[in-house]
Amino acid sequence: RKEVEQDPGPFNVPEGATVAFNCTYSNSASQSFFWYRQDCRKEPKLLMSVYSSGNEDGRFTAQLNRASQYISLLIRDSKLSDSATYLCVPLWGKLQFGAGTQVVVTP
Amino acid sequence: SAVISQKPSRDICQRGTSLTIQCQVDSQVTMMFWYRQQPGQSLTLIATANQGSEATYESGFVIDKFPISRPNLTFSTLTVSNMSPEDSSIYLCSAGQGTLLNYGYTFGSGTRLTVV
Repeated sequence: RKEVEQDPGPFNVPEGATVAFNCTYSNSASQSFFWYRQDCRKEPKLLMSVYSSGNEDGRFTAQLNRASQYISLLIRDSKLSDSATYLCVPLWGKLQFGAGTQVVVTP
Repeated sequence: SAVISQKPSRDICQRGTSLTIQCQVDSQVTMMFWYRQQPGQSLTLIATANQGSEATYESGFVIDKFPISRPNLTFSTLTVSNMSPEDSSIYLCSAGQGTLLNYGYTFGSGTRLTVV
């Protein structure tokens, strides 16, 4: 089993709609989690940090399920600028990146 | 969070040569890492750059091929040695405070390397 698994997508989302996707991780010792977004040909940028059961920041909500070892990201009221690859990153001493979920928001 | 300046941003190199990539952080950080990202793939951790001691390499990466320096808490270099076309990739450095998890880790803008 891979350390971090994500649905690669792409998730094609109409503008204004809601999209959600999951990330599963294998190391139960992970205490913190991050969602990064990466635009094409750019470096990853931190989107959210998650320590307890979840976190919410504007249109973005992350939920953590430690029992099932997955973390989800939900984007409400999608904007065209939300089109990117979203990388799930559990932290256990170092960052291990998932392969990413591609989201494409269409007009 | 820290701001990282990485250079060069891109280079085209002849096979058999070496390239050194530099990362300068605007504040002292405890942790610095080097990653590689090949086209269409996610980031693969090459090594953790340790200040004042040898870097810690991940499986599949060795010091002879990717020597790393970290002379202080704000600066690190990665050298890609004896390059071949398979080394063509984007190389990224990352930095953060290991205990300040709420800031995550920030990345340099990357070095796009093409080996011909």
